[in-house]
Amino acid sequence: DTGVSQNPRHKITKRGQNVTFRCDPISEHNRLYWYRQTLGQGPEFLTYFQNEAQLEKSRLLSDRFSAERPKGSFSTLEIQRTEQGDSAMYLCASSLADSKSSPLHFGNGTRLTVT
Amino acid sequence: AQSVTQPDIHITVSEGASLELRCNYSYGATPYLFWYVQSPGQGLQLLLKYFSGDTLVQGIKGFEAEFKRSQSSFNLRKPSVHWSDAAEYFCAVGALAGTALIFGKGTTLSVSS
Repeated sequence: DTGVSQNPRHKITKRGQNVTFRCDPISEHNRLYWYRQTLGQGPEFLTYFQNEAQLEKSRLLSDRFSAERPKGSFSTLEIQRTEQGDSAMYLCASSLADSKSSPLHFGNGTRLTVT
Repeated sequence: AQSVTQPDIHITVSEGASLELRCNYSYGATPYLFWYVQSPGQGLQLLLKYFSGDTLVQGIKGFEAEFKRSQSSFNLRKPSVHWSDAAEYFCAVGALAGTALIFGKGTTLSVSS
């Protein structure tokens, strides 16, 4: 179990640019989640996948945001035409679907700063 | 609406003293409850979880939490705080179907010597 891995750890970009983050979940986990966390707040749910299917999207996920998990393993989160309000920590988590609510295992996040 | 409330934004506790962090939830179905801890610049680490059964659950690092359905609460406790416990603590609620967790806004714990 190598844990959930996120890259890059930090990303600084100019407003209007596109950015892409990657998440590698724990290998046997079939569920993958994206959250956003701003300073002084708890994580806010963005979207989640079971295998390659995107099962739920939050209203927070505007049309500038897109997430993929093409082979049911790693996932990418892309933000197009970034805005200063997109500055946040983007957290990825994974879990194993079973009959109970499996705890989420989080990565260390990607901190995005939009200047 | 489903929600989690952590009434205390910031708590300071002396090293060696006991700790209780409050969590209240609003959830339409049977809640599955979690406490996570986050150190600066890091992801979230699971401290403990409650699914069913014994309402007092034990977690890692000497933490425990008690589920009280009548009060819609899931408070986190530790009998003796260590300086390394200084961090941000998040309470979260989820559903059996494995949909996303809803997090509270967190409580920042400072430990004084």
